[in-house]
Amino acid sequence: DGGITQSPKYLFRKEGQNVTLSCEQNLNHDAMYWYRQDPGQGLRLIYYSQIVNDFQKGDIAEGYSVSREKKESFPLTVTSAQKNPTAFYLCASTPAGSVNYGYTFGSGTRLTVV
Amino acid sequence: GENVEQHPSTLSVQEGDSAVIKCTYSDSASNYFPWYKQELGKGPQLIIDIRSNVGEKKDQRIAVTLNKTAKHFSLHITETQPEDSAVYFCAARMNRDDKIIFGKGTRLHILP
Repeated sequence: DGGITQSPKYLFRKEGQNVTLSCEQNLNHDAMYWYRQDPGQGLRLIYYSQIVNDFQKGDIAEGYSVSREKKESFPLTVTSAQKNPTAFYLCASTPAGSVNYGYTFGSGTRLTVV
Repeated sequence: GENVEQHPSTLSVQEGDSAVIKCTYSDSASNYFPWYKQELGKGPQLIIDIRSNVGEKKDQRIAVTLNKTAKHFSLHITETQPEDSAVYFCAARMNRDDKIIFGKGTRLHILP
């Protein structure tokens, strides 16, 4: 079955560490997105990529970095510059240019600073 | 840019009653309106969507209505059940952009 896989499900980070969250999809979708969700809050866009080797900042990109070397993969690195990284992170994808389709979301990674 | 407002932020209804969640959008170029359901600890799942050339769409107990003139769209859930308890997000997408703009969500509680 096609889908979008996020790993790990839970991640713990020490102060000052960089951590990388994985997002892989086998839906042949062109566009991929990273969102942050805080308790009781909505979805805030971190970064997005509409094509391989290209990505754009979202609303809250500071302290995060991404890469898009393969169509299937869009990893997110939470750097030590992100002062409050504890949150639920969601990855999503959609076919590019398909304005009548919604996003397919992964099951999320819960990141906690210890 | 596009903005999507969603109300209410929290909604409690008795099991068996109906629930209505309302959203407004700012950009008249928006032409696709999906609704997502997010259960605790999971990613949002698409439950229904509507395109701008349609005024209403129904799927079993769920219906969505769209008023393009007023830039309003609503989710209606009838005969609510305990498994309907979740957070619901409305969203809007413009024709010229792949990005979907989300509302802030409504936490729906179904009371026994």
